[in-house]
Amino acid sequence: KAGVTQTPRYLIKTRGQQVTLSCSPISGHRSVSWYQQTPGQGLQFLFEYFSETQRNKGNFPGRFSGRQFSNSRSEMNVSTLELGDSALYLCASGTPGTGANEQYFGPGTRLTVT
Amino acid sequence: AQSVTQPDIHITVSEGASLELRCNYSYGATPYLFWYVQSPGQGLQLLLKYFSGDTLVQGIKGFEAEFKRSQSSFNLRKPSVHWSDAAEYFCAVLAFDKVIFGPGTSLSVIP
Repeated sequence: KAGVTQTPRYLIKTRGQQVTLSCSPISGHRSVSWYQQTPGQGLQFLFEYFSETQRNKGNFPGRFSGRQFSNSRSEMNVSTLELGDSALYLCASGTPGTGANEQYFGPGTRLTVT
Repeated sequence: AQSVTQPDIHITVSEGASLELRCNYSYGATPYLFWYVQSPGQGLQLLLKYFSGDTLVQGIKGFEAEFKRSQSSFNLRKPSVHWSDAAEYFCAVLAFDKVIFGPGTSLSVIP
């Protein structure tokens, strides 16, 4: 079974631009979560999608948004990029339903904002 | 509020030595607990998880962890460390369908 894939792996953007990151979950997984990882803040939960609906959201500004498609693939978008948005963005897929949401992570997208 | 603490930011051990990484959590209900490992430039890999039952759980790569409710702890152990175990280790708790991660412990292994 193929793992979680994220594209692109590396991205360089300029402050003020917007960016879209993509995540393809493991086949059969319907939940996709997004995390931001920075040296200062560690791993922070952004949001989770399940069956095309946002189920949970972390404490991030509205510039961060996401969506999930009918095939469970997910995208996250960051508008009006700031220097502080430079981070590793990790996507994880899982099979919730029992409350034991074991998540499988992708390799991440390294975003650099200049 | 739910939280996870990992008291040790960085640990260095010699290859072949035993290892214990500490994790404490704050969560009102019965916790679902995880340990993940992240190698440089990689995503996170699940080492083991605790949901219920036996408080000593076995994971991959020879790791184990013990859940102690009285101490709100879920420490990760390995009897003999290999050089390839050098990585960042994250403890996490599932709280209301959100996974909350600790700050991580960086492990260095001396050959």
